[in-house]
Amino acid sequence: EEQLVESGGGLVQPGGSLRLSCTASGFTIGSYFMSWVRLAPGKGLEWVSGISGSGGSTYYEDSVEGRFTISRDNSKNTLYLQMNSLRAEDTAIYYCAKNNIVVVSAQDHSCMDVWGTGTAVTVSS
Amino acid sequence: DIQMTQSPSSLSASVGDRVTITCRASQIISSYLNWYQQKPGKPPKLLIYAASTLQSGVPSRFSGSGSGTDFTLTISSLQPEDFATYYCQQSYFHSRTFGQGTKVEIK
Repeated sequence: EEQLVESGGGLVQPGGSLRLSCTASGFTIGSYFMSWVRLAPGKGLEWVSGISGSGGSTYYEDSVEGRFTISRDNSKNTLYLQMNSLRAEDTAIYYCAKNNIVVVSAQDHSCMDVWGTGTAVTVSS
Repeated sequence: DIQMTQSPSSLSASVGDRVTITCRASQIISSYLNWYQQKPGKPPKLLIYAASTLQSGVPSRFSGSGSGTDFTLTISSLQPEDFATYYCQQSYFHSRTFGQGTKVEIK
């Protein structure tokens, strides 16, 4: 069974840092694009960041660009999100997700088919 | 940046009702559109990918349609376990933007 387990969340003061981890089992993360997605209190899902299977390409939502860094250690089958200069508006449940590629009508389509249970990040003084 | 707009933001419906949720992309995304269901305290669950393909294990009362910029998620006969928040998400661009969500509540 394919599973993802996040860790590293917690309470941090504004301006502080946290590193989230996401460990996979049942599949090799190096074969997939991986994403971080968050759900803030009273808000909807927000895609935060993504990384290619090789780790050579990274992508960020505008509000976290320059503050967050996504990375992966394929030897540990683990995805990371380094979060610096944290703000109150970064308070959320953070999920990691596997982006599967499915072929439909000869086109490659990406969808997030495996999700972790999430780790809570609270930014408050 | 691409924007995904869902409507309505919330709706009240009864068991057995037919429910339709729409999603509009600010740019053409062909059929690169996925739908997810999320219940409180749980991670999102993939329902439909490539606009209209049902994920394995998802009941056939769920269906998706659309292409270009306008998409629809339909639940043909609402069941008690379907009360949840539904999100569309584009996969055309690397930034996998979500819609703001549609909360389906019990009437």
